Amino acid sequence: DTGVSQDPRHKITKRGQNVTFRCDPISEHNRLYWYRQTLGQGPEFLTYFQNEAQLEKSRLLSDRFSAERPKGSFSTLEIQRTEQGDSAMYLCASSPAPPRETQYFGPGTRLLVL
Amino acid sequence: QKEVEQNSGPLSVPEGAIASLNCTYSDRVSQSFFWYRQYSGKSPELIMSIYSNGDKEDGRFTAQLNKASQYVSLLIRDSQPSDSATYLCAVNIQYNFNKFYFGSGTKLNVKP
Repeated sequence: DTGVSQDPRHKITKRGQNVTFRCDPISEHNRLYWYRQTLGQGPEFLTYFQNEAQLEKSRLLSDRFSAERPKGSFSTLEIQRTEQGDSAMYLCASSPAPPRETQYFGPGTRLLVL
Repeated sequence: QKEVEQNSGPLSVPEGAIASLNCTYSDRVSQSFFWYRQYSGKSPELIMSIYSNGDKEDGRFTAQLNKASQYVSLLIRDSQPSDSATYLCAVNIQYNFNKFYFGSGTKLNVKP
């Protein structure tokens, strides 16, 4: 068990560029979550997958954001036409099915939009 | 009203003392409760989960849950400087697409 991994760990981009982040969950976990965290705040829910199905999207996730989880394994989060307000830590977490639904977080991807 | 409320702190305690961290939540159907520790610049790390009313102990940590009062707490005994971090409270609502809601965290400083 190697835990949840995320790539890249850091990303600096210019406003207007597209970026894509990858998350590899713990292998036996069928649930995968994306969060965004800014300084001084707790993680904010963005979206949730159960296997390959995206079951919920936050209103925070504008049309510029899209997430996929093909084949129910790894997931990608893409941000199109980045804005300075997108600068944040993007966290991925995975959990097994209930009753042991505890989430385990990856190391995060820190995004800076210039 | 936010789903999960925490005092942002900082909470300062001397080394060896008991640190008490508190959290309230708004949704009465919340089913699972978690405490995470987050060091600056790092991702949250799970400390404890609690599902039923009462106390749950794990080493120096004790989680307390009172569903009637919608209140969760975390006690850290024999606090160490290495415990200095932000502590996040999270609740899980299974009927709402299994969403997890996080508080903003309480910053704990343990002074040597």
